[in-house]
Amino acid sequence: QKEVEQNSGPLSVPEGAIASLNCTYSDRGSQSFFWYRQYSGKSPELIMSIYSNGDKEDGRFTAQLNKASQYVSLLIRDSQPSDSATYLCAVGSRSSYKLIFGSGTRLLVRP
Amino acid sequence: SQTIHQWPATLVQPVGSPLSLECTVEGTSNPNLYWYRQAAGRGLQLLFYSVGIGQISSEVPQNLSASRPQDRQFILSSKKLLLSDSGFYLCAWSLGDTDTQYFGPGTRLTVL
Repeated sequence: QKEVEQNSGPLSVPEGAIASLNCTYSDRGSQSFFWYRQYSGKSPELIMSIYSNGDKEDGRFTAQLNKASQYVSLLIRDSQPSDSATYLCAVGSRSSYKLIFGSGTRLLVRP
Repeated sequence: SQTIHQWPATLVQPVGSPLSLECTVEGTSNPNLYWYRQAAGRGLQLLFYSVGIGQISSEVPQNLSASRPQDRQFILSSKKLLLSDSGFYLCAWSLGDTDTQYFGPGTRLTVL
């Protein structure tokens, strides 16, 4: 059973701090990794995708991938109250059309 | 650019009634299409996916079914709803050569 694990949180950080969200996965054949943000009552929206080991930066967001440790993370710099949401990690493999989603980490940014 | 529509946005149905939810993608051809359900406070559960017209894969055996009558249309149905069918139903699409999925706005279903 392929699994993606996330701490459910809530992760509470003060405004302006760095929020660090973590995700581990069980399938070593995984080749694509995604972070989605989901506001309460809304559908998930794609924030970042990463395919290679290392860091990928997009504005205040940095995705980090370590395939050897089967670990992917999302850093949010200068966190804003508007970043308060649930963050979903998703993992895919080239052999499948499907993504496996984690259950999400709830982030709360305190003003 | 591509857009994905779902309707209705909200639905309240009695137990035992039928269900039909519709998803349509615009601006692309031959997308992969997905139906997910998200129970309150829970993660995403993949229900069905389709890589082409007439090709439907079921992930979870239950009282739901899916159909793809046209290239960019995906329909989720049930003959008799259960209380446990309540949830947030999400349609998503991706292109065959990538696995990035994009979600529609969702349908919130309450079964009473």
